[in-house]
Amino acid sequence: QVQLVQSGTEVKKSGSSVKVSCKASGGSFRTYAINWVRQAPGQGLEWVGGIISFFGTPIYAQNFQGRVTINADESTSTAYMELTGLRFEDTAVYYCARGLTPNHYYHAMDVWGQGTTVTVSS
Amino acid sequence: EILMTQSPGTLSVSPGGRATLSCRASQGVATNLAWYQQKPGLPPRLLIYGASTRAAGIPARFSGSGSGTEFTLTISSLQSEDFAGYYCQQYNNWPPTFGQGTNLEIK
Repeated sequence: QVQLVQSGTEVKKSGSSVKVSCKASGGSFRTYAINWVRQAPGQGLEWVGGIISFFGTPIYAQNFQGRVTINADESTSTAYMELTGLRFEDTAVYYCARGLTPNHYYHAMDVWGQGTTVTVSS
Repeated sequence: EILMTQSPGTLSVSPGGRATLSCRASQGVATNLAWYQQKPGLPPRLLIYGASTRAAGIPARFSGSGSGTEFTLTISSLQSEDFAGYYCQQYNNWPPTFGQGTNLEIK
């Protein structure tokens, strides 16, 4: 049974950066997309980007281009999302989620991490 | 970017009743449509993918239908644990996009 475990809560200053990790266990990692999805307080879900470690190349939502970097370490089955130039509006829970079907960069997402709360303060 | 619009925003239904949630895409997404359930403080849970295929372990009272731009999630015989938030998501086009959600509450 695949499980995704994320790193802990982060409190950051405006303008700084945050890096969140997502470690997979119990299943295949390299051919399934790991997506990052965020949810601001009381709001809906927003796709940030994703990566398939076998291909190595991440894809990003336009809203985050230039500010986000997603990568993956196959040796530890861990994906990372780094967001720079943090703004108050980046305050959210950030989830990693595995794509349902291998070799598809975006698809339905069937396994989710527990979420990482990122709070941006001035 | 494809805009996903869900209706209604809030739906009040009695336990044991039937809930019908709608999701509309701003352009056709074939059947590349998923539904999620989310409870407070928890990550989303995949219910339906391919517009009508139940994910592993999802009870048969959850059913999905539709194609193109109009989709429906139906929950028959509502149980107490079904009262939650529901989101649709298209994955036909980059970027994948979500609807704003429907809150299903107890009447």
